[in-house]
Amino acid sequence: AQTVTQSQPEMSVQEAETVTLSCTYDTSESDYYLFWYKQPPSRQMILVIRQEAYKQQNATENRFSVNFQKAAKSFSLKISDSQLGDAAMYFCAYRSAGDFGNEKLTFGTGTRLTIIP
Amino acid sequence: DVKVTQSSRYLVKRTGEKVFLECVQDMDHENMFWYRQDPGLGLRLIYFSYDVKMKEKGDIPEGYSVSREKKERFSLILESASTNQTSMYLCASSPRRGVGKPQHFGDGTRLSIL
Repeated sequence: AQTVTQSQPEMSVQEAETVTLSCTYDTSESDYYLFWYKQPPSRQMILVIRQEAYKQQNATENRFSVNFQKAAKSFSLKISDSQLGDAAMYFCAYRSAGDFGNEKLTFGTGTRLTIIP
Repeated sequence: DVKVTQSSRYLVKRTGEKVFLECVQDMDHENMFWYRQDPGLGLRLIYFSYDVKMKEKGDIPEGYSVSREKKERFSLILESASTNQTSMYLCASSPRRGVGKPQHFGDGTRLSIL
């Protein structure tokens, strides 16, 4: 079974600075997807960024980018120019690629990010 | 935009009651999921469904059941609620299997069992 580990329960960053959230995972599969979700106090889980394992290029979405190291099974999220609205719980998630039975997401335990004005 | 709607934002029930949590999505998604979220444990999958009338157990199905009579609706049932089922429950949906699309989540139901 796959596992996802987020070793930083809490992080804080000064507004406008850059912060990196860590995520490692364990799998024997070669093809899969990785996701970062954000959960603000409003509680709705919002997709931040998605990475396909067979793509070597790191995904980016505006101020959000990932450092995907497949061999090391590491998938960190970098937030540049942090804004107050980035304050949230961030979850890393893994999903197998392929067909029936592989739609499940396995989540890490989350990192609570605080933005200091 | 995909809309996943959970019927209640907060719910308080008593031990032993039968509890229904409802989830509706408006994007004709085939897949639907129920997760439980607890501090320090992240989200854990309870049940999921790939189609009407179909259901699959997730990682923590004990004490729960589900129903999917219509494609847009996926219900989570606590047959006899217990205090250890006090938690946040999140519903999600995604398009047909095998295409790598992300799951879309509802706002969650915070359930308290007294």
